Amino acid sequence: DADVTQTPRNRITKTGKRIMLECSQTKGHDRMYWYRQDPGLGLRLIYYSFDVKDINKGEISDGYSVSRQAQAKFSLSLESAIPNQTALYFCATSGRERQFFGPGTRLTVL
Amino acid sequence: SQQGEEDPQALSIQEGENATMNCSYKTSINNLQWYRQNSGRGLVHLILIRSNEREKHSGRLRVTLDTSKKSSSLLITASRAADTASYFCATQDSNYQLIWGAGTKLIIKP
Repeated sequence: DADVTQTPRNRITKTGKRIMLECSQTKGHDRMYWYRQDPGLGLRLIYYSFDVKDINKGEISDGYSVSRQAQAKFSLSLESAIPNQTALYFCATSGRERQFFGPGTRLTVL
Repeated sequence: SQQGEEDPQALSIQEGENATMNCSYKTSINNLQWYRQNSGRGLVHLILIRSNEREKHSGRLRVTLDTSKKSSSLLITASRAADTASYFCATQDSNYQLIWGAGTKLIIKP
């Protein structure tokens, strides 16, 4: 089984809809991250969490919120989706150094 | 904002040749990491080099780090078709966050 899983893998939605992306990890790590990737660009950090009670904004948190339900679960919400949030979204987890990534969620906002 | 830049943006070589890609960064780092991403999939960690190291090897991979020039290079020797992917460098600072380059797209021609 994969160490980091993301659901859904693909999602098409309409402008204004609320969307939740979910992430689970079995690595036992405290740290979890949400990134977005746009074509031709590297990863940009949306939110990160160093433990269940610690949530921090990343570079591009506007329009997003997160919830850390447990050590293993970290969800990302788009409260009111807009077309420029169309992107590939990755969840990751880490110890102190290297990060382990999920397979990604391809989100399209029409 | 992204920490640094990768060069070249794209590289196409014949199978069996060596591939070299470069990464530059702007601020002090604890370590620099290289990741591979197959088309549209999650990133996979390849190798980590610490700020006090100058060179590191892992199989067909060789990474160098020059902290005075704030640059790193990744060399893949004897390339294979399976090496076709995008390669990203990421620098880790004292807050343990990773800051990503925009990546180099590598194509290995049979």
